[in-house]
Amino acid sequence: AQSVTQLDSQVPVFEEAPVELRCNYSSSVSVYLFWYVQYPNQGLQLLLKYLSGSTLVKGINGFEAEFNKSQTSFHLRKPSVHISDTAEYFCAASNDMRFGAGTRLTVKP
Amino acid sequence: IAGITQAPTSQILAAGRRMTLRCTQDMRHNAMYWYRQDLGLGLRLIHYSNTAGTTGKGEVPDGYSVSRANTDDFPLTLASAVPSQTSVYFCASSDSNGKGPEEQFFGPGTRLTVL
Repeated sequence: AQSVTQLDSQVPVFEEAPVELRCNYSSSVSVYLFWYVQYPNQGLQLLLKYLSGSTLVKGINGFEAEFNKSQTSFHLRKPSVHISDTAEYFCAASNDMRFGAGTRLTVKP
Repeated sequence: IAGITQAPTSQILAAGRRMTLRCTQDMRHNAMYWYRQDLGLGLRLIHYSNTAGTTGKGEVPDGYSVSRANTDDFPLTLASAVPSQTSVYFCASSDSNGKGPEEQFFGPGTRLTVL
């Protein structure tokens, strides 16, 4: 079975600063990777996904992620965050739909 | 378009009681899922259904059962609730088109407390 590890449980950052949320996966087979965002008291929404092709994936709200097969990573990045980006972010690896434990991003003014 | 609805929004339940969490989608997606979300553990898959009439076990199926009588509905039943089932439960659906896993659409969640 696949496993997904999000290396940071909490990431505090100041507004307009860049941010990287880290995700590593373990799999010996082809993998599909996703990043979801969860705003307070809501369900999850898809930010972006990697199925195949270009390793740099662009998503909504200015987020992007890069699939790195050699490092088994799928880190999420944004060059300049806003207060409204404060939320919980989940990395997921498909085939058996494993989610990471989540990273709480807090953007401070 | 409602997407996915879940009911109830929240519930406090005595241990030993039976409870069914309801989930309905109007997107005609073939696949549906139930997850529980616990602090520090992320989302864990309880049960899933790839198409109406079929169901499968996820990562944490014990103590839960599901049915998929039609495309739209995917109820989750706790036959005899225990305090460790206190959690936030999310239903999700996806339109598996044969090309590989696709985006899941999530409901707003049900907050369940078992005392």
